[in-house]
Amino acid sequence: GAGVSQSPSNKVTEKGKDVELRCDPISGHTALYWYRQSLGQGLEFLIYFQGNSAPDKSGLPSDRFSAERTGGSVSTLTIQRTQQEDSAVYLCASSQEFADTQYFGPGTRLTVL
Amino acid sequence: EDKVVQSPLSLVVHEGDTVTLNCSYEVTNFRSLLWYKQEKKAPTFLFMLTSSGIEKKSGRLSSILDKKELFSILNITATQTGDSAVYLCAFTGAGSYQLTFGKGTKLSVIP
Repeated sequence: GAGVSQSPSNKVTEKGKDVELRCDPISGHTALYWYRQSLGQGLEFLIYFQGNSAPDKSGLPSDRFSAERTGGSVSTLTIQRTQQEDSAVYLCASSQEFADTQYFGPGTRLTVL
Repeated sequence: EDKVVQSPLSLVVHEGDTVTLNCSYEVTNFRSLLWYKQEKKAPTFLFMLTSSGIEKKSGRLSSILDKKELFSILNITATQTGDSAVYLCAFTGAGSYQLTFGKGTKLSVIP
């Protein structure tokens, strides 16, 4: 159907709390990606899923960050014990299998107070 | 280390002007280069280039890749205020599907 969707669009949390960010990819897209965009920084790769497997987790900045994908569709990015430096826009993208063109969702703006 | 550098970082032009945005890259085993337009949060796909010297065109926008000199340009002719955005360049390399992005060029088109 429509494009990539993400929820919530905005999330404000207190330092030390856990947060979950959700991504719903384009129907039929088997590949799903998470990126982070901090103020003044470029988009930074976090993790890549092919189906439910994550062959590339190289961008996760610490063990406080984890992600899962179930049913080859929806993905959740979890950040535990949030820190102020986690404040950023978290973007999800999806693509057809082994295709380079990625389509992005609107992102979740996370603010850690 | 693989990297991509975009220039200029920002640009202000008047409606009707033509602009050229630059993207140079260093990557092991280059596979493709992509351009995106980011107005608010979601980057919107513009072009993907894999072959040298072949221009991709869509309306007033066009792009070309030079694999020998390791750069790409994005041209916008007859600019409009709606072209105001950050333009992002990214590449993929062999063995990986992640996109590596430059910091972008912020284009402002004033009436």
